[in-house]
Amino acid sequence: SAVISQKPSRDICQRGTSLTIQCQVDSQVTMMFWYRQQPGQSLTLIATANQGSEATYESGFVIDKFPISRPNLTFSTLTVSNMSPEDSSIYLCSVVWSTSGASEQYFGPGTRLTVT
Amino acid sequence: KNQVEQSPQSLIILEGKNCTLQCNYTVSPFSNLRWYKQDTGRGPVSLTIMTFSENTKSNGRYTATLDADTKQSSLHITASQLSDSASYICVVSLVIPGGGNKLTFGTGTQLKVEL
Repeated sequence: SAVISQKPSRDICQRGTSLTIQCQVDSQVTMMFWYRQQPGQSLTLIATANQGSEATYESGFVIDKFPISRPNLTFSTLTVSNMSPEDSSIYLCSVVWSTSGASEQYFGPGTRLTVT
Repeated sequence: KNQVEQSPQSLIILEGKNCTLQCNYTVSPFSNLRWYKQDTGRGPVSLTIMTFSENTKSNGRYTATLDADTKQSSLHITASQLSDSASYICVVSLVIPGGGNKLTFGTGTQLKVEL
């Protein structure tokens, strides 16, 4: 299985500031994703982090608001820019790990963000 | 619109009892269905994954069933323990034209196991 760590685990930020969340995987993975989980809601895919190229964003999410970096196959960052209280959420990194012909999707522990 | 609906929204049971969580979906074309357990403050952890040809899959005290005809799935928890208290999320994988899958998440059932 793939072990995923995220930093920070939680943070409280002021509106108008930006926060960068780091995701580290213990193995090289091709597919890496960033999700958002708002209070009481299901997970929503923000974007697919592509190694060596620009991230692919889902409808409703834009690069200016959520810039993503993927410098290699084990690491990615998500920045939440110009934050507002509506950005208060849990942000989760996720990877697809394939072994023996089967693939499984693993999630990091999440970063709980509160914007005041 | 592809949707995944779960019921009940929340559930409280006594330790040692069994329970069943439901998932109905409209996702099509369907690739597979997964159940995840998400402890408070943690990321989701996979319990089971089933393709359309499978109708049951077990993982310890967790047994998932799938009826691809009626587009329903259930997760049965046997002899519940306090550590089973968590959110259980049904996730359906949608086949993307040209290759790949897209996950559609349910909102989860919040289970609390009490003494």
